[in-house]
Amino acid sequence: AQKITQTQPGMFVQEKEAVTLDCTYDTSDPSYGLFWYKQPSSGEMIFLIYQGSYDQQNATEGRYSLNFQKARKSANLVISASQLGDSAMYFCDVGNNRKLIWGLGTSLAVNP
Amino acid sequence: SQTIHQWPATLVQPVGSPLSLECTVEGTSNPNLYWYRQAAGRGLQLLFYSVGIGQISSEVPQNLSASRPQDRQFILSSKKLLLSDSGFYLCAWSALGDRAALEQYFGPGTRLTVT
Repeated sequence: AQKITQTQPGMFVQEKEAVTLDCTYDTSDPSYGLFWYKQPSSGEMIFLIYQGSYDQQNATEGRYSLNFQKARKSANLVISASQLGDSAMYFCDVGNNRKLIWGLGTSLAVNP
Repeated sequence: SQTIHQWPATLVQPVGSPLSLECTVEGTSNPNLYWYRQAAGRGLQLLFYSVGIGQISSEVPQNLSASRPQDRQFILSSKKLLLSDSGFYLCAWSALGDRAALEQYFGPGTRLTVT
């Protein structure tokens, strides 16, 4: 069975600073994908970044990067130069065969 | 570009009443479709997914059902709502692809309150 653990229920960061949101996963599948999603208070779920289990390079998308450590089964999200609009819930997922398993999320608050 | 629609945005229903939530996708063909429920302050729980018309996989036994009468239409139903059915319902789609897992794109959600 697949499992996601996000150990930080809440995080605070100062505007313009970088922040790392932790995610560890457990899966027995040899091939899988890792995802991060953002959910603002409006409720919409926004796809941020994807990392394939066989990808050699860490994924990056603008200010988002994924620190992928396969041996540790870790897929931390790094947000650089935080903005007020980054305040939201952040979910880490692992998936294969069309299905995603979701973590419980980390609430990020960006302080001005 | 692809767009996913979900309605209604909010819904208040009494216990024992029926439910029908609809989701449609535009701008893509033969998508994988998903229904999730999110309880307050929690992560997402996968309820159903579909890889094609009439093909529904149920993840959680409950009093909900799903149907896919058309390629880009996904419907979540219940004959009799329970208080525990309250939550935020999200529809999502993903494309076909060769990767092990594919990113999903979500609709705006329906906030259901059962009273």
